[in-house]
Amino acid sequence: KAGVTQTPRYLIKTRGQQVTLSCSPISGHRSVSWYQQTPGQGLQFLFEYFSETQRNKGNFPGRFSGRQFSNSRSEMNVSTLELGDSALYLCASSPGTSDNEQFFGPGTRLTVL
Amino acid sequence: GQQLNQSPQSMFIQEGEDVSMNCTSSSIFNTWLWYKQDPGEGPVLLIALYKAGELTSNGRLTAQFGITRKDSFLNISASIPSDVGIYFCAGFPSGTYKYIFGTGTRLKVLA
Repeated sequence: KAGVTQTPRYLIKTRGQQVTLSCSPISGHRSVSWYQQTPGQGLQFLFEYFSETQRNKGNFPGRFSGRQFSNSRSEMNVSTLELGDSALYLCASSPGTSDNEQFFGPGTRLTVL
Repeated sequence: GQQLNQSPQSMFIQEGEDVSMNCTSSSIFNTWLWYKQDPGEGPVLLIALYKAGELTSNGRLTAQFGITRKDSFLNISASIPSDVGIYFCAGFPSGTYKYIFGTGTRLKVLA
């Protein structure tokens, strides 16, 4: 069974631009969660989607948004990029019911110049 | 909000030594997960724990789900250089679908 895939792996943008990241979960998994990881802040939860609906949300500004498609693939969008948005963005998938293991993708390294 | 305290934050050990790290929570968790992350990569799931008191091994790794359901520990026996990385605990609080992550333990092994 293929693992979680994320595209692109690396991305360089400039301030003010917007970016869209993509995540394909493990086949059969219906939940996709997104995290931002920076050296100083560790893993910060952005949001979680289950069956095309946002089920949980972290404490990030509205510039961060996401969506999930009927095939469970998910996208995350960041608008009006700021220097502080430079981070490793990780997505993780799970079956979506309680007490499930969560599996991570390799991440997308975003650099904002 | 809910927080996970993970300790130690970092540690240097000699190759061959045993390592122990732990996580504590202010609330009850239904599931504990332990991950290892190498630089620039996503965390890899090492061990999952589902019951209070459960002790589970994966090779040289052993993890336990605390009886109070508010803590968990991970032991690595006979450490080797490839054990270097950041280890995260993650908890799944009762009644939620949102994982809470510890701040990580950075392990460095001296050959």
